[in-house]
Amino acid sequence: DTAVSQTPKYLVTQMGNDKSIKCEQNLGHDTMYWYKQDSKKFLKIMFSYNNKELIINETVPNRFSPKSPDKAHLNLHINSLELGDSAVYFCASSKTSGTLGYEQYFGPGTRLTVT
Amino acid sequence: AQSVTQPDIHITVSEGASLELRCNYSYGATPYLFWYVQSPGQGLQLLLKYFSGDTLVQGIKGFEAEFKRSQSSFNLRKPSVHWSDAAEYFCAVGSGTYKYIFGTGTRLKVLA
Repeated sequence: DTAVSQTPKYLVTQMGNDKSIKCEQNLGHDTMYWYKQDSKKFLKIMFSYNNKELIINETVPNRFSPKSPDKAHLNLHINSLELGDSAVYFCASSKTSGTLGYEQYFGPGTRLTVT
Repeated sequence: AQSVTQPDIHITVSEGASLELRCNYSYGATPYLFWYVQSPGQGLQLLLKYFSGDTLVQGIKGFEAEFKRSQSSFNLRKPSVHWSDAAEYFCAVGSGTYKYIFGTGTRLKVLA
């Protein structure tokens, strides 16, 4: 069974459109994350949610809006897409229980291409 | 500020040769350290982790890493590289609460 899944795997869209990426984890973890990986493979955290509450928002444009309907899901909605949003977006989850020290499990990624 | 540095962007080794990938971190407290591997088109997979205790940690696929506090390093090693090890390798440190900082990655190429 897939531990962290993302849909879609590929997303090609035009500038100005609005799109969503979905993420689900079946590991029973309490924390979920969104990362952006650029063309140079640099991996940067965007958001972190713990028990459905936003914990980390790393100066991401407000065109990006995460939503966590429950602990197993974290979706990412992007409004007014720009060329610079083209990247691979990774969802991840971990069990934190109030202390940092647990490894993250990553989804397969969603490659977003904005034309 | 916390940071992770992977000095080598690319490394090429021959199959069967030994491997060492470097990672240096900057963190005020005892760090939680990780090594991940990313195969082309795939997500990141955890190779190993260090939280406390024995400074030499063993991971999957025959990898090991050694935590050296005095050098602020957490280098990844493998005694004999296989062609399937060709991938991107990321070092990461647990920083603050619910935040992980990743290095810029090292791309490993394996020559047959």
